[in-house]
Amino acid sequence: EVQLVESGGGLVKPGGSLRLSCAASGFTFSRYSMNWVRQAPGKGLEWVSSISRSGNFIYYADSVKGRFTISRDNAKNSLYLQMNILSAEDAAVYYCAKEATELVRPGDYFDYWGQGTLVTVSS
Amino acid sequence: QLVLAQSPSASASPGASVKLTCTLSSGHSSYAIAWHQQLPEKGPRFLMNINSDGSHNKGDGIPDRFSGSSSGAERYLLISSLQSEDEADYYCQTWGTGIQVFGGGTKLTVL
Repeated sequence: EVQLVESGGGLVKPGGSLRLSCAASGFTFSRYSMNWVRQAPGKGLEWVSSISRSGNFIYYADSVKGRFTISRDNAKNSLYLQMNILSAEDAAVYYCAKEATELVRPGDYFDYWGQGTLVTVSS
Repeated sequence: QLVLAQSPSASASPGASVKLTCTLSSGHSSYAIAWHQQLPEKGPRFLMNINSDGSHNKGDGIPDRFSGSSSGAERYLLISSLQSEDEADYYCQTWGTGIQVFGGGTKLTVL
């Protein structure tokens, strides 16, 4: 059974940093691109970042470029999101999501999602 | 620019059928999409992907009541024999090189 379990969310002050993790199991993690998607309270889904299975191809939404860094450790079956210079606009539930097809670059639909981790930005 | 349009809301009665629409932006009518269901206070769940020819693949355990189709730039999610547990937000997703895009979501109410 595929499982994606996010952690690392919490309360952070504006301008602060946070690192999210996603522990993957039930599939060969190193074969699939992975993504982070967020959802602000009462809002829709917003894609944040993608990383290829090798880590060689990385993409970001304009809203987080230069502040967030996605990474992965295939030996630990884990995905990460380092978030810096956080603002109120970054407050959201953050989900990790697995892409469906074994591709060299990210660019496919998501076939599994985690349950999310909540990031609150407030002074 | 790659954009997906969805109606904000839809409603139908238990036992009825409902068709949700996701419209691809101009110039992108050949793109595949995926549908995801989000129950209240839960993470999204993959329902199916739909190609431009209407062929689709469903996620694990998705009931036969859920089906998909395509026409031009529109991609559809059809839910038949509606049940109360189908009340949820439904999002469509598409993708390009270096980008993932979501529609604004449709809130389905089962009256």
